Amino acid sequence: EIQLQESGPGLVKPSQSLSLTCSVTGYTITSGYDWSWIRKFPGNKMEWMGYISYSGSTNYNPSLKSRISITRDTSKNQFFLQLNSVTTEDTATYYCARGWYLSYVMDAWGQGASVTVSS
Amino acid sequence: DIQMTQSPASLSASLGETVSIECLASEDIYSNLAWYQQKPGKSPQLLIYYASSLQDGVPSRFSGSESGTQYSLEINSLQPEDEGDYFCQQSYKFPLTFGSGTKLEIK
Repeated sequence: EIQLQESGPGLVKPSQSLSLTCSVTGYTITSGYDWSWIRKFPGNKMEWMGYISYSGSTNYNPSLKSRISITRDTSKNQFFLQLNSVTTEDTATYYCARGWYLSYVMDAWGQGASVTVSS
Repeated sequence: DIQMTQSPASLSASLGETVSIECLASEDIYSNLAWYQQKPGKSPQLLIYYASSLQDGVPSRFSGSESGTQYSLEINSLQPEDEGDYFCQQSYKFPLTFGSGTKLEIK
């Protein structure tokens, strides 16, 4: 059974970078699927941030394109989110998820990591 | 971006009742619509994909339908474990976008 687990700092200062790790067990991230980051803001609005595919290609939400980077470490079966120049508006719960290749339906999600941007 | 307008924001229903949640897409998404359930403190779970296909392991009291750009999730014979948040997601065009969510309370 696949499991995804987010980890990273729960508090980030404005203007700094937010970095999160998604550790995947039960499936090898290079075997298939797209691996997404999604966030849920206070008030429940959800935003798809981007994905890294099983082959290593990336696709980002244009609203974040200048600030976001998704990378991976295949040896550890992990993928990462880096969001630069954060503001208080980036305060959210961040989820990693597995998406079906070419159909982008998310069939497995992590528990979520709460990140607060505050000085 | 494709806007997904979800309604209602919240609803309260009794055990055994049937409820319906709607998502209206701002343009044709050609059935590329998924529904998710999120229980408090838990990760989202996929319920329905391609508008009406039931994900493996999801009870058959959940069903999805479409009419033009309007998509519906129906839950029959409500059970206590159905309480939670429900949201839709279009997967037709990037960026992927979500509905604003519906909080379902079981009376």
